[in-house]
Amino acid sequence: EVQLVESGGGLVQPGGSLRLSCAASGFTFSSYEMNWVRQAPGKGLEWVSYISSSGSTIYYADSVKGRFTISRDNAKNSLYLQMNSLRAEDTAVYYCARDSSGYYYGHYYYMDVWGKGTTVTVSS
Amino acid sequence: SSELTQDPAVSVALGQTVRITCQGDSLRSYYASWYQQKPGQAPVLVIYGKNNRPSGIPDRFSGSSSGNTASLTITGAQAEDEADYYCNSRDSSGNHGVFGGGTKLTVL
Repeated sequence: EVQLVESGGGLVQPGGSLRLSCAASGFTFSSYEMNWVRQAPGKGLEWVSYISSSGSTIYYADSVKGRFTISRDNAKNSLYLQMNSLRAEDTAVYYCARDSSGYYYGHYYYMDVWGKGTTVTVSS
Repeated sequence: SSELTQDPAVSVALGQTVRITCQGDSLRSYYASWYQQKPGQAPVLVIYGKNNRPSGIPDRFSGSSSGNTASLTITGAQAEDEADYYCNSRDSSGNHGVFGGGTKLTVL
């Protein structure tokens, strides 16, 4: 079964740090690009970060750039998100999602496998 | 612009057809993908590319695109289709993902 399982969420004080993990199984992890997406309580989905299959290409949303670091370990089938200088507005459920993109009658891009999410709460 | 705009809420009578739209400049370059999210659950991909459904998604879900607007159509809406629906694409640079604000679908 294709599966993504996030872990590492919790309660942290403003200015603190947290490292999220995402364990992949049931597919060849090293062949896929990956994303982190978050959802604040009662709000919509927000794309956070992207990493290529090799880890050589990385992008961040402006809201987290300079504070968050995405990484992966293909030998361990794992994706990570190191979150530093956390703010109250970072409070959210964080999902990892498998990315697929290409060109067929136009550029396409989608996230077809999602984890159940891990909750991060930033509060004093 | 890197934004995608959706109507906040749409309603449909049981068994009728509903269209949910998503507008944004990046949709001139990228097909939108569409996600269904029910309360307390992770998003589920329902449409991607020109008009493709992942395995297990009913064929009452379809997608289309014209200019800067992408549409998700549910033909014969069912009670279980009541959910939030999000469109997603890359921004015009192709480097950043972007989601619409979401549309809450109510099936009457």
